[in-house]
Amino acid sequence: NAGVTQTPKFQVLKTGQSMTLQCAQDMNHEYMSWYRQDPGMGLRLIHYSVGAGITDQGEVPNGYNVSRSTTEDFPLRLLSAAPSQTSVYFCASSYLLLRGAGELFFGEGSRLTVL
Amino acid sequence: SQELEQSPQSLIVQEGKNLTINCTSSKTLYGLYWYKQKYGEGLIFLMMLQKGGEEKSHEKITAKLDEKKQQSSLHITASQPSHAGIYLCGADGLTSGTYKYIFGTGTRLKVLA
Repeated sequence: NAGVTQTPKFQVLKTGQSMTLQCAQDMNHEYMSWYRQDPGMGLRLIHYSVGAGITDQGEVPNGYNVSRSTTEDFPLRLLSAAPSQTSVYFCASSYLLLRGAGELFFGEGSRLTVL
Repeated sequence: SQELEQSPQSLIVQEGKNLTINCTSSKTLYGLYWYKQKYGEGLIFLMMLQKGGEEKSHEKITAKLDEKKQQSSLHITASQPSHAGIYLCGADGLTSGTYKYIFGTGTRLKVLA
């Protein structure tokens, strides 16, 4: 079982470059989300999606774009990378409950450094 | 400011000691989740609490949600080095009408052998 797969695991960018972090899940989960984790800050929600074609902003959406064209994939795009976006990024997915998203399944993380 | 406050931020205990981590929200919690993260890895789900007064246990870890559903605690009995890591509480539904699923700042636990 693959679960939640994130690529790449490591990436170094120069300021101003663009890139896409890929996230794929094979559990047919409706809910998918992206977080960033910085020292002392816990996980902060960037964007989330409750199904194909539906996305919404989280706590820290500026500088990031997402789309959800299929149930399986939820890519995160950095349009013009900035040093403040240096972080570890986690993708997560879950089934949707009657109220809320329930247990999240996480990918292994993508470590991004912006110089 | 964080909608979910966790305390303490870090904890160092001797093996065999008990410990408690707290998670507090200014709003009523609909779903409260506890996760553990080993350093440099993804998060692993521990427990979910939804009802006021609910208590769940798994091995030596017990989580409780207060009656008002604004505070949760995670208690580890007779800690072991394998309990070391970062513990995070998470909650969804704090903002009505959305599925925003947010986390506290985490508690870093070290267990000395």
